Amino acid sequence: ETGVTQSPTHLIKTRGQQVTLRCSSQSGHNTVSWYQQALGQGPQFIFQYYREEENGRGNFPPRFSGLQFPNYSSELNVNALELDDSALYLCASSSLAGANVLTFGAGSRLTVL
Amino acid sequence: GQQVMQIPQYQHVQEGEDFTTYCNSSTTLSNIQWYKQRPGGHPVFLIQLVKSGEVKKQKRLTFQFGEAKKNSSLHITATQTTDVGTYFCAGRERGDEWDMRFGAGTRLTVKP
Repeated sequence: ETGVTQSPTHLIKTRGQQVTLRCSSQSGHNTVSWYQQALGQGPQFIFQYYREEENGRGNFPPRFSGLQFPNYSSELNVNALELDDSALYLCASSSLAGANVLTFGAGSRLTVL
Repeated sequence: GQQVMQIPQYQHVQEGEDFTTYCNSSTTLSNIQWYKQRPGGHPVFLIQLVKSGEVKKQKRLTFQFGEAKKNSSLHITATQTTDVGTYFCAGRERGDEWDMRFGAGTRLTVKP
């Protein structure tokens, strides 16, 4: 069984630019959640996708958006990047059958200059 | 809204000493999960507790869920250098199954 894979692993952007991060969920998982983890902090919930629809969102502005595709993979898009967006972005897949236990990918490290 | 707090923020122990991290929620949780993140790594699931007062053990690790389902603890007996990392608790409120709130974590370092 394949785990959660994320791309790219590292990227550098400048303020005002846009970024797209990608995630392939673990086999058998139909739900994808995205988290932002700043240095030294716990993961902060951004949003969750199930059946290609956003079914929950944390305290993040609308410039954070996402997609889920029929194969359960997902994208996180961030527009108008700000310096504070610099963080590790973690994708986690889960399933109800798996008791909603989160399986995390290795993350995408975003640096905004 | 729901907040999950963890203490201590850091813990440095000598190898062989015990370690405990505590997790407290401002609201009643439907369940609580614990994750471990090694330096430079990503969170990895350790365990889930669902029942009030539940206690689970994994070798040297003991997890407890409070009677009111608002607090939890992780205790490691006789720490080893392989225990190094940050331990996070994460919980959901009943009815908010999509909103998993993580604590800030307890960073454990172990001196050999």
